[in-house]
Amino acid sequence: QSALTQPPSASGSPGQSVTISCTGTSSDVGGYNYVSWYQQHPGKAPKLMIYEVSKRPSGVPDRFSGSKSGNTASLTVSGLQAEDEADYYCSSYAGSNNFKVFGTGTKVTVL
Amino acid sequence: QITLKESGPTLVKPTQTLTLTCTFSGFSLSTSGVGVGWIRQPPGKALEWLALIYWNDDKRYSPSLKSRLTITKDTSKNQVVLTMTNMDPVDTATYYCAHSDQHSSPDAFDIWGQGTMVTVSS
Repeated sequence: QSALTQPPSASGSPGQSVTISCTGTSSDVGGYNYVSWYQQHPGKAPKLMIYEVSKRPSGVPDRFSGSKSGNTASLTVSGLQAEDEADYYCSSYAGSNNFKVFGTGTKVTVL
Repeated sequence: QITLKESGPTLVKPTQTLTLTCTFSGFSLSTSGVGVGWIRQPPGKALEWLALIYWNDDKRYSPSLKSRLTITKDTSKNQVVLTMTNMDPVDTATYYCAHSDQHSSPDAFDIWGQGTMVTVSS
């Protein structure tokens, strides 16, 4: 089971928007609406930001939004703030055999 | 409030077996829909899912590591144990355990432990 593909880096100025892609296959991202996104600051544990493609857990700002088209999921951070600078990972259910797969990770820099 | 904490050795030798314990509070692993998973992250690299155990003792493993992994739970002690055999230096990583609830956030890990760093070296 290969990792989902994310761009290594993305950046934006404060107040701008940045979108991160997460590309898989029809056996994972494209086959199920179970894509989640995690934010990880240096030296810290990951934090769940989005689940089931576009749902936000309680406490996550609505600046964070998720979507999916075909085999590619996306995370958009609107109104970038300094504290949004972090690594972001997507994850997807991958069927009963492979079960779960993470993405390669994207480092978001706030310029 | 849900919390999880990983514990185990910080250093293991190649070929040895690693045993990690996740001790949790704020939920019961006998509640329908609840699960605890293990995820690791080599230094400077991406997250990798390892294993997951559910309230009903259903167990899932990463296909690439399945032959080396065993996950078990002790509901009375609020613990989940992961064993990984035949450790190799490439297994050096921070190992996290995390909570999952199929009713509130399906197929996602909503609460994570702080992680424990394991180094494999002779």
